Amino acid sequence: KAGVTQTPRYLIKTRGQQVTLSCSPISGHRSVSWYQQTPGQGLQFLFEYFSETQRNKGNFPGRFSGRQFSNSRSEMNVSTLELGDSALYLCASSKGTAEAFFGQGTRLTVV
Amino acid sequence: GQNIDQPTEMTATEGAIVQINCTYQTSGFNGLFWYQQHAGEAPTFLSYNVLDGLEEKGRFSSFLSRSKGYSYLLLKELQMKDSASYLCAVRDPPNSNSGYALNFGKGTSLLVTP
Repeated sequence: KAGVTQTPRYLIKTRGQQVTLSCSPISGHRSVSWYQQTPGQGLQFLFEYFSETQRNKGNFPGRFSGRQFSNSRSEMNVSTLELGDSALYLCASSKGTAEAFFGQGTRLTVV
Repeated sequence: GQNIDQPTEMTATEGAIVQINCTYQTSGFNGLFWYQQHAGEAPTFLSYNVLDGLEEKGRFSSFLSRSKGYSYLLLKELQMKDSASYLCAVRDPPNSNSGYALNFGKGTSLLVTP
């Protein structure tokens, strides 16, 4: 079966712009989580959605937001981009309380 | 909050055994996961422990002691392809809002040498 699909794979944006990243979970998976990965901080939890509701949120500023659609696809948005937002953004989907499966990620570079 | 510690780097020889330790201090616990991540790739699931003891899966085993806040990942018969980052993650306990959230350590970069 198809894995978790994230688009785009690479993105370059300018400071102050906003960006939207997309994640399509594995079919049948209703939980979608987002993580930010940087060399200094490792993988950090952003938020998790289940059935179009945000169930949990990590310690990130309000510039980071997300949503989930009725087909479980999810988007995350970062507004007013800062240089420090440059990172690999990973999406993971899971079914119930089982292990999470990660997508290949979107590499965001802010210049 | 969650505090999860792992060694930053380890080196081992092809064919050998290596143990990667993970200690955690968390406000709650609902399972410990190990993931493998090759450079430029997505993390892939290796193992899951929720009860104390050893879980074995082929060349990989993972151990958990909840009372000590300690886990390790054991890799046997090391192969060159095992060179990767190994991530320890603790899952938040379930509550009305928790859902599914993994708290990761910063990862252990393992280099397997010939």
